[in-house]
Amino acid sequence: AQTVTQSQPEMSVQEAETVTLSCTYDTSESDYYLFWYKQPPSRQMILVIRQEAYKQQNATENRFSVNFQKAAKSFSLKISDSQLGDAAMYFCAYRSPYGQNFVFGPGTRLSVLP
Amino acid sequence: KAGVTQTPRYLIKTRGQQVTLSCSPISGHRSVSWYQQTPGQGLQFLFEYFSETQRNKGNFPGRFSGRQFSNSRSEMNVSTLELGDSALYLCASSLEGLIYEQYFGPGTRLTVT
Repeated sequence: AQTVTQSQPEMSVQEAETVTLSCTYDTSESDYYLFWYKQPPSRQMILVIRQEAYKQQNATENRFSVNFQKAAKSFSLKISDSQLGDAAMYFCAYRSPYGQNFVFGPGTRLSVLP
Repeated sequence: KAGVTQTPRYLIKTRGQQVTLSCSPISGHRSVSWYQQTPGQGLQFLFEYFSETQRNKGNFPGRFSGRQFSNSRSEMNVSTLELGDSALYLCASSLEGLIYEQYFGPGTRLTVT
C-alpha cells in the first residue's frame, strides 16, 4: 500500500517570503498522480497543484510550484511571495493509476506572519 | 456551477445512535468519495461510489456504510455510534479519470457524546 509522509507538522513564513513544504511517498508503481491540497480554516479543501509522474517538468500554478524528484519519491511544494491568505493546512496526496482513491499525508499547518 | 454540498454541517449524537450524512456532488460528477478527518488520524478514506456502485472501500468497520443514488447524490450512514466516530466527514466528487482532482465539500462535523 502506498504511504505519504509530510515531516513538517507546522511551518511559518513571513509575508512576501518563500516557503517549501516537504512531501515524500512510498510506492512500487511507476506511474501515478500527485496533488497538493489546501484546507483553510473555513475547512473547504481546494486543489493547489497536480503533477503526473510521467512528466519530468515540474508543475507550476502562479505562485505555487513543485519540485518533483521521482527517484527520491519526493514532491515538495514551493510557495513564493507568501500571502496572508496562504495560511492553511496543506495536504500532499497520491493517486495510483490502479485505484480510484487518494492517499493523503498527515498535513502541514502553514502560518503566514505579517 | 454549484460546488459540493453536504448536509447537515453540524451534528451532535449520542453513543449507540445512528446517523446519516448527505452529499450532493458537482453536476456531472459521478464519482463520490467519503473521508473521515480527525486530528490524530488525519484524512482517512472511507469509500468511493461511482454510478451507484461502491468501487473502493477503506479500512473501516461495517458500521460505516454508504450508497449512491441515480442522480449521483450520496449518503453515508454510521450505525451504533462510538465516541471515536467524532470527526469531520468530508465528501469529494470528481469527474471520471485519474488525472482529475477531487472537489471537496465543506464537511459535516459529527460530535458523539
